[in-house]
Amino acid sequence: RKEVEQDPGPFNVPEGATVAFNCTYSNSASQSFFWYRQDCRKEPKLLMSVYSSGNEDGRFTAQLNRASQYISLLIRDSKLSDSATYLCVVNMGGNKLVFGAGTILRVKS
Amino acid sequence: DTEVTQTPKHLVMGMTNKKSLKCEQHMGHRAMYWYKQKAKKPPELMFVYSYEKLSINESVPSRFSPECPNSSLLNLHLHALQPEDSALYLCATGAPGELFFGEGSRLTVL
Repeated sequence: RKEVEQDPGPFNVPEGATVAFNCTYSNSASQSFFWYRQDCRKEPKLLMSVYSSGNEDGRFTAQLNRASQYISLLIRDSKLSDSATYLCVVNMGGNKLVFGAGTILRVKS
Repeated sequence: DTEVTQTPKHLVMGMTNKKSLKCEQHMGHRAMYWYKQKAKKPPELMFVYSYEKLSINESVPSRFSPECPNSSLLNLHLHALQPEDSALYLCATGAPGELFFGEGSRLTVL
């Protein structure tokens, strides 16, 4: 079983749609969780950290369920500029960060 | 503009060459990372330096040799690479999980 698993997509959605991505992780001792965004042929960039209580940043909401070892990202009112690959990242401890394979989002007008 | 600078942006080398990738950051973080990313794949951790000491080596072949001369600089020395080592090599710094990446060095091994 992979340490971090994501649905690769692609998710093709119209502008204005709400879309959700899921991520599961195998190590119950994992310490912290993050979503990154990567545009084509660019470096990954931190989108948001994921807290146990859930957190929101504008149109983006992240949730963590430690019991189910599950992380989610919800994007509301999708924009064309949201088109990218969304990477789930898990901190296994001791600076060891493991990236999921990524979920491709394509927002179309 | 990224605050992590990587050079060169592109590198083509033969299997017998020796070359180095360089990374510089002035963000004040004490951890620096090398990741390797192949096309349509996620970044894979190679090495982590913490306070200028190697703290993680993810069983990377010895043809890749990292070096951290000081808290701002990170090098990756390359020798006798294989064509399958062609990839984007990403340097990063930051607190665990909250990484700032450079734009990467795109390496092609012929």
